[in-house]
Amino acid sequence: ETGVTQTPRHLVMGMTNKKSLKCEQHLGHNAMYWYKQSAKKPLELMFVYNFKEQTENNSVPSRFSPECPNSSHLFLHLHTLQPEDSALYLCASSHTAGTNEKLFFGSGTQLSVL
Amino acid sequence: RKEVEQDPGPFNVPEGATVAFNCTYSNSASQSFFWYRQDCRKEPKLLMSVYSSGNEDGRFTAQLNRASQYISLLIRDSKLSDSATYLCVVNIKAAGNKLTFGGGTRVLVKP
Repeated sequence: ETGVTQTPRHLVMGMTNKKSLKCEQHLGHNAMYWYKQSAKKPLELMFVYNFKEQTENNSVPSRFSPECPNSSHLFLHLHTLQPEDSALYLCASSHTAGTNEKLFFGSGTQLSVL
Repeated sequence: RKEVEQDPGPFNVPEGATVAFNCTYSNSASQSFFWYRQDCRKEPKLLMSVYSSGNEDGRFTAQLNRASQYISLLIRDSKLSDSATYLCVVNIKAAGNKLTFGGGTRVLVKP
């Protein structure tokens, strides 16, 4: 499936590095999301964008900075991360946020912070 | 208490057997419920929505018990390909339709 595409699939970075995760959806959706999935923990919602506007920031540290230039693209800029930030970062999209809509997930970026 | 709680398992199931597991939720204002399936190192995918009257999709049956605040998933005639982690998802309309995920129940179907 290529509905929601995430790059890179894997990323290893040092604590002083700056990197960006990219997500693109080809489904014509208006809402995009970033989730974090740590080992043995439930998926945690990080950010929600609806029609390019950020509608939710779930108390995420400022070292994570999202960007949504249009409804099809979503970025997560990373800087000065900590080892505990190592996790699977999943992008998702849905028709519209705040409705009872099915989420379509990308394959995720497995991030390791050294 | 966690908002959405699941037995992490694993549930070891012989091929062809039936397996069932529950998910409890703490917020009585929860209005919509879903089961997602996540294969190892893959993204979650919607398996089925859970309706008040219960619903069935092939070998999968989902039930909702509002009084006791839990949903269940039953898999009949288990296939090897059913091995996965099953995520319970609850939508709380009062919280802006925020989807809350459980930690997942791992199911291993063995020959």
